[in-house]
Amino acid sequence: QSVLTQPPSVSGAPGQKVTISCTGSSSNIGAGYDVNWYQQLPGTAPKLLIYDNDNRPSGVPDRFSGSKSGASASLAITGLQAEDEADYYCQSYDSSLSGPEVFGGGTKLTVL
Amino acid sequence: QVQLQESGPGLVEPSQTLSLTCSVSGGSINSGGFYWSWTRQHPGKGLEWIGYVFSGGGTYYNPSFKSRVTISMDTSENRFSLILNSVTAADTALYYCARGRASRGVRFDYWGQGTLVTVSS
Repeated sequence: QSVLTQPPSVSGAPGQKVTISCTGSSSNIGAGYDVNWYQQLPGTAPKLLIYDNDNRPSGVPDRFSGSKSGASASLAITGLQAEDEADYYCQSYDSSLSGPEVFGGGTKLTVL
Repeated sequence: QVQLQESGPGLVEPSQTLSLTCSVSGGSINSGGFYWSWTRQHPGKGLEWIGYVFSGGGTYYNPSFKSRVTISMDTSENRFSLILNSVTAADTALYYCARGRASRGVRFDYWGQGTLVTVSS
């Protein structure tokens, strides 16, 4: 059971927008710690998608965006494409006995 | 371009020690203030952070592993290692090494391809 809660799955049709939530608590996101997001395509290693809540590494399309509010963060994907079908994970710092680094449980994105 | 490559036995017997190495190319592990990290993924499950060693000194572990895990750096070989003692079938997983880069938090910006470790007799 992760301290960062993500929906197990989300889905959307090509061209649509989907949002993946990451809900934390007062020991992690709610304490002001930043959130990073990773994309894991089938059979591959995770790839950094968003860092420090809302920054994209070089090469990541601007269809991907991140935000944070209170004890939660969100990853938005616009203009959904078939190749976006993957698992997505949030990650943050946790000051409790779960940390220091914690991942969300992951969300499977299905492109319909 | 930084590249990481895990290596080590794919099969470990129960109660024995799991030992993996991550070789780093494209940069020195001894510079830049990076966090050299291990994360694992049980088959079909999510990511579980194990711990990291900071290039400037210090190790940090997931409390779930703290009594069994050691992560260390070998600067002469530009690699870092994971040792996990007293393994059980629950330690069967895909193990990833990664580079952690700190800004306002630590983000893992480069990852190895992962190595599967099976714990079985």
